[in-house]
Amino acid sequence: QSALTQPASVSGSPGQSITISCTGTSSDVGGYNYVSWYQQHLGKAPKLMIYDVSNRPSGVSNRFSGSKSGNTASLTISGLQAEDEADYYCSSFTSSNTLVFGGGTKLTVL
Amino acid sequence: QITLKESGPTLVKPTQTLTLTCTFSGFSLTTSGVGVGWIRQPPGKALEWLSVIYWDDDKRYSPSLKSRLTITKDSSNNQVVLTMTNLDTVDTGTYYCAHRRVGVTSDQGFDPWGQGTLVTVSS
Repeated sequence: QSALTQPASVSGSPGQSITISCTGTSSDVGGYNYVSWYQQHLGKAPKLMIYDVSNRPSGVSNRFSGSKSGNTASLTISGLQAEDEADYYCSSFTSSNTLVFGGGTKLTVL
Repeated sequence: QITLKESGPTLVKPTQTLTLTCTFSGFSLTTSGVGVGWIRQPPGKALEWLSVIYWDDDKRYSPSLKSRLTITKDSSNNQVVLTMTNLDTVDTGTYYCAHRRVGVTSDQGFDPWGQGTLVTVSS
C-alpha cells in the first residue's frame, strides 16, 4: 500500500484559515469514513485531532474540522494561531484491514 | 487516564532482532473494541504504521513489513510486545505505541500515544 498524499508544506497568517489535503484511493480514503488526523509538534508524540473524517476528540479546539470528498480528505484549521505550527498527518483504514499514514504536512504560521 | 510507555534497546546491530514492549495503564486489552498499535518515525521523516493487536487477538501488519513483524499481548500484565527481525540501518527511528478503539461503524484512531523510544540500528 502506498502512503497517502499530502502537500509537503502549507502556511498562513494568524487568524486566517488553512486546509490540508490528504489524497488516497477508493481502497482507503474513498472507501471508508475512517480517516484520522494527527498533530505533531517538534520532538513530541503525535496527538489525535480528528477521527472518522470529521469527529473531534474531547478537548480538541473546534477551530479544527475535517471533511472528505471522494478519495480526498481535508483538515481545516480556522483562526490560525501560533501554537498550531506543527506537522500534520492523515491516516486511513484500508480495504486490506490495515492502516496507512500520509507523508505529513508542515504548517508554518507566518 | 490512559498512558502508554515504550521500552527496549536503544542500539541494535544490523541483522539482529528488535523487541519492544509497550506497557500501558488506564484501559484493558480485554475490552471489546480496544487495540494497541505500533507506529515508527525515522528521523526527520513521516509516520509509518507497523502493526496493531486487538482485544480479540486479531493482529494486523503493514504489508511491506509483515514478514519481519510479530505482535503479541499479555493482557494480565498490560503489555504489548512487537518483534522485528533482520534489522537494517533504515529501521532507525522513534517507535511509538498507541491506544486504539474501534467499533462497528467507528474508528477512533490512535489516542493517546506513548512518548516514543528511539532505536538506532548501527554496527
